[in-house]
Amino acid sequence: AQSVTQPDIHITVSEGASLELRCNYSYGATPYLFWYVQSPGQGLQLLLKYFSGDTLVQGIKGFEAEFKRSQSSFNLRKPSVHWSDAAEYFCAVSARDDKIIFGKGTRLHILP
Amino acid sequence: KAGVTQTPRYLIKTRGQQVTLSCSPISGHRSVSWYQQTPGQGLQFLFEYFSETQRNKGNFPGRFSGRQFSNSRSEMNVSTLELGDSALYLCASSPDRVTDTQYFGPGTRLTVL
Repeated sequence: AQSVTQPDIHITVSEGASLELRCNYSYGATPYLFWYVQSPGQGLQLLLKYFSGDTLVQGIKGFEAEFKRSQSSFNLRKPSVHWSDAAEYFCAVSARDDKIIFGKGTRLHILP
Repeated sequence: KAGVTQTPRYLIKTRGQQVTLSCSPISGHRSVSWYQQTPGQGLQFLFEYFSETQRNKGNFPGRFSGRQFSNSRSEMNVSTLELGDSALYLCASSPDRVTDTQYFGPGTRLTVL
C-alpha cells in the first residue's frame, strides 16, 4: 500500500541548531517526493520536490532534502534553524497523474 | 498574480445539512485539488479536477463530490453532513498536475454541530 511515514510528531531544536526531519515512504511506482510547510497565517507552501536527477534537492528558505532509494527515505535538513521556521512540516509522495499522499506531519518547535 | 482564494473562510452547519465550498485557482492554472485536514487524519486528498473532469479521487464516501467549471473555478459539495466532516478544507491549484508546484488557498474551516 502507498504510504508516507513521518515518525516524529514533535521535534524541538534550539535556534541556530541543525535540523533533520525524517520521512519514509512506500510507493510502487517511481515517486515524486515533496516537502510542504504549514505556518499559521501562511497556509501550506511547497519547500522542495524531487523526481529524478541529483538526489540532494535544494529548496526555499535554506532547506534541502536527500532522496535515498535504498532506504525509501526523503529526509529534510537545514543547517541552522531560525525562530521563523517553527511550523508543521509535511512529507508527501505522488506519481505523475496519481493522487498525492501526505504524511501526518511533524511539528517543529524552536527554543530561543 | 492573485493567489488561490476560497470562500467562505468559515462555516458552521448542523448534521444532515449539505454544504458547498468554492475555490478560485491562480489564473492560468487548470488543475484544482481538494484536501481535508483534521487533527486525527492529517491531510487527505479528496479529488483533483482538470479541464472540468475529475482526474483522481481519494478514499472518501460519495457524499463528497466536486466539479470544475470552464474557467477552472471549482466547487466541492458535502451532503448529509456528519460530525466527523468538521475539518479544514484546502484547495490547491497547479498549472497541469498535482506533481507541478501546487499553490494552496487559506482553506475553509467547516464546523458541523
